[in-house]
Amino acid sequence: EVQLLESGGGLVQPGKSLRLSCTASGLTFINHAMSWVRQVPGKGLEWVSTISGRGGSTDYADSVKGRFTVSRDNSKNTLFLQITDLRAGDTAIYFCATTFSYPVESFVVWGQGTTVAV
Amino acid sequence: QTVVTQEPSLTVSPGGTVTLTCASSAGAVTSDYYPHWFQQKPGQPPRALIYSASKKHSWTPARFSGSLLGGKAALTLSGAQPEDEADYYCLLYYNSAPIWLFGGGTKLTV
Repeated sequence: EVQLLESGGGLVQPGKSLRLSCTASGLTFINHAMSWVRQVPGKGLEWVSTISGRGGSTDYADSVKGRFTVSRDNSKNTLFLQITDLRAGDTAIYFCATTFSYPVESFVVWGQGTTVAV
Repeated sequence: QTVVTQEPSLTVSPGGTVTLTCASSAGAVTSDYYPHWFQQKPGQPPRALIYSASKKHSWTPARFSGSLLGGKAALTLSGAQPEDEADYYCLLYYNSAPIWLFGGGTKLTV
């Protein structure tokens, strides 16, 4: 069974930085593109970023380009999201999700999310 | 700025049928947008239901089906159950960017 567990969220001051993590189990991590999606409580979902299996390709939503950096450590089955210059608008639950066949079968399994409050 | 539009809310009677739609301001939604559908209940992460417009995951109940209908992606629920009351989101892939865009979600009441 594929499981994803996010961590690293918390209450932070505007302008500070934060690194979120997502640890995966139950899959051959390097074979799967991974994504971050965020959700302001009570609002809709917003795609944030996607990284390829080997990490050589990354994509970002326009709203986060320049401040968010996605990366991964395949030796530790872990996905990261580095957020700099945090703003009130970044307050959200951040979910990681895995892809089985990009882009055909994406966002298949989701973690429970980690909350960032700015 | 491309926008993906869903019905804000819909109501269906238990046992009834309802269709949720997903439109793109960029034009007709085709299989090239790899439409995905997700169900989200309060306090839970989204759960994947449909990918590539009409393909189901192994856990997707048979009463859910996806299609392309009149230039939109569509999610049809046939034989609604009380446990189907949830928010439903569509997701489209824009290869030219490349980016993914979620619709605003449909709150389904059963």
